[in-house]
Amino acid sequence: AQKITQTQPGMFVQEKEAVTLDCTYDTSDQSYGLFWYKQPSSGEMIFLIYQGSYDEQNATEGRYSLNFQKARKSANLVISASQLGDSAMYFCAMRDGGGAGSYQLTFGKGTKLSVIP
Amino acid sequence: DSGVTQTPKHLITATGQRVTLRCSPRSGDLSVYWYQQSLDQGLQFLIQYYNGEERAKGNILERFSAQQFPDLHSELNLSSLELGDSALYFCASSHPLNTGELFFGEGSRLTVL
Repeated sequence: AQKITQTQPGMFVQEKEAVTLDCTYDTSDQSYGLFWYKQPSSGEMIFLIYQGSYDEQNATEGRYSLNFQKARKSANLVISASQLGDSAMYFCAMRDGGGAGSYQLTFGKGTKLSVIP
Repeated sequence: DSGVTQTPKHLITATGQRVTLRCSPRSGDLSVYWYQQSLDQGLQFLIQYYNGEERAKGNILERFSAQQFPDLHSELNLSSLELGDSALYFCASSHPLNTGELFFGEGSRLTVL
């Protein structure tokens, strides 16, 4: 069974600084995908970034980058130049190889990020 | 705006009652997923439909059922409601040709009193 572990219940970061949110995963699949989602206080789940298990380069999307270390089974999210609007819950998630159209995700418990002015 | 529409946004009901949550996926997406988010359990996968057929089942209670209609919208039916069913229920959709990211609706917040 797949498992996602986020060990940081809460994190604080100074505005304009970079922050790393930790995520480790466990799977026996060779093909899998890793995702990060942001959930602001308003409640919606916003897709941030994706990393495939066979991707050799770390994924980047604007200020978000995913530090993928396959041997250590970690997929940490790095947010550069933090902004007040980055204050939210952040969830790491994983899908297995699945079949076409089968992309159910397993989520971690989340990390609450608070950006300090 | 993810393109996934969920109704109602808020729902308050009593124990023992039955409610129906509705979801319209993004245009072109064939899969619909239902998730439950509660404080103690986190985000739990309930069930997935693909082009009208049930594809995968997660931690869905027998009191809960879902279906996906020919126009691809989906409904989640929750019956014999208990206090512990109070949660945020998300619908998400995905396209078979993308890398698997799910696009979530804004959720339906259910409060059972």
